[in-house]
Amino acid sequence: DGGITQSPKYLFRKEGQNVTLSCEQNLNHDAMYWYRQDPGQGLRLIYYSQIVNDFQKGDIAEGYSVSREKKESFPLTVTSAQKNPTAFYLCASMAMLGNQPQHFGDGTRLSIL
Amino acid sequence: QKEVEQNSGPLSVPEGAIASLNCTYSDRGSQSFFWYRQYSGKSPELIMSIYSNGDKEDGRFTAQLNKASQYVSLLIRDSQPSDSATYLCAHNAGNMLTFGGGTRLMVKP
Repeated sequence: DGGITQSPKYLFRKEGQNVTLSCEQNLNHDAMYWYRQDPGQGLRLIYYSQIVNDFQKGDIAEGYSVSREKKESFPLTVTSAQKNPTAFYLCASMAMLGNQPQHFGDGTRLSIL
Repeated sequence: QKEVEQNSGPLSVPEGAIASLNCTYSDRGSQSFFWYRQYSGKSPELIMSIYSNGDKEDGRFTAQLNKASQYVSLLIRDSQPSDSATYLCAHNAGNMLTFGGGTRLMVKP
């Protein structure tokens, strides 16, 4: 089954700790995206990548980092510099064929201990 | 600023009625438009795509696009309580999707 897998489903972070959220896709999509969603709010773009070994900041990149070493994988690290990390994190991917939709993983819910 | 605007709601309709969700956008270069459904605590799910002016029907869902007026709408016929969710409108311009804030729909039995 083709799709996007995010793990873990729930994650807890201690003060001063970095945590990494995993996103893997087997859809052969070139582009991958990370969004943050706070309760009752819309999606905010954190980072995106349209090609391996290249990525761009979105609207709220501060306190986050990413890598794109493989086409299938786009992990997101929430660093200790992100002072309010509690949110629902969504990974998406998209084919770069023009006018395509994004497809989402099931999300990771991050909370502070 | 490329924006997509939606009324946040909640939009409340009785079971069996038609729910009408609207979205306006500012980027005249947009070529493709999408509706996503997001249940509480879940990720967005693509339910409709529309690329040309006019109506596109899929089961109980109809998407309508008017590029001249820069709006796109989603009609849900025979609304069911299971349709209660937040509906996100998005458009694709330059291989980036811009999302609206979503409209919360409540279908009351």
